[in-house]
Amino acid sequence: GENVEQHPSTLSVQEGDSAVIKCTYSDSASNYFPWYKQELGKRPQLIIDIRSNVGEKKDQRIAVTLNKTAKHFSLHITETQPEDSAVYFCASGGYQLTFGKGTKLSVIP
Amino acid sequence: DGGITQSPKYLFRKEGQNVTLSCEQNLNHDAMYWYRQDPGQGLRLIYYSQIVNDFQKGDIAEGYSVSREKKESFPLTVTSAQKNPTAFYLCASSIGARFGDDEQFFGPGTRLTVL
Repeated sequence: GENVEQHPSTLSVQEGDSAVIKCTYSDSASNYFPWYKQELGKRPQLIIDIRSNVGEKKDQRIAVTLNKTAKHFSLHITETQPEDSAVYFCASGGYQLTFGKGTKLSVIP
Repeated sequence: DGGITQSPKYLFRKEGQNVTLSCEQNLNHDAMYWYRQDPGQGLRLIYYSQIVNDFQKGDIAEGYSVSREKKESFPLTVTSAQKNPTAFYLCASSIGARFGDDEQFFGPGTRLTVL
């Protein structure tokens, strides 16, 4: 089955700096790569996603890049704010999504 | 945050008992999913259903059962065969794109504790 590795597990940045989270996947048939943000005790919410026919996607301060050859994709958050503090999950697949173990991002004011 | 509801929010179970977690959606989505989340872990897929009266096992289906008799409902039963059921359970739904590459919307979750 699919295997998704996510790094780092924890990340602390100063407010205003950028944050980068990286994921690798194993199944070359995977065609959908979403990123979810989960605040403590709450449900995961989609922040951005990318499909296999696209290499990069941007939505305001958030961007995702996909390298299908190397089987890795990354989340980039620029100009971080304290409200960006949360756990971020990457996922890979289609109907059967396999999730990474998460990155706890702390933005220090 | 509306659209998908889960009940109850907290559930306590004695060992050896079966319990059923409810998941309802009013988004007219074809596909529904059940995930389990443990501390420090990502979400792991238990079962998913692409259409009414059909469902498939996910990565950790042992000890769980589901039904999909109605489009809007996808209940999960945690059976006594599940050895370590204490976890946070999340239900999700999506439109049901042909290749599954569409956004999954999550419910608020049920926290199950085995006493």
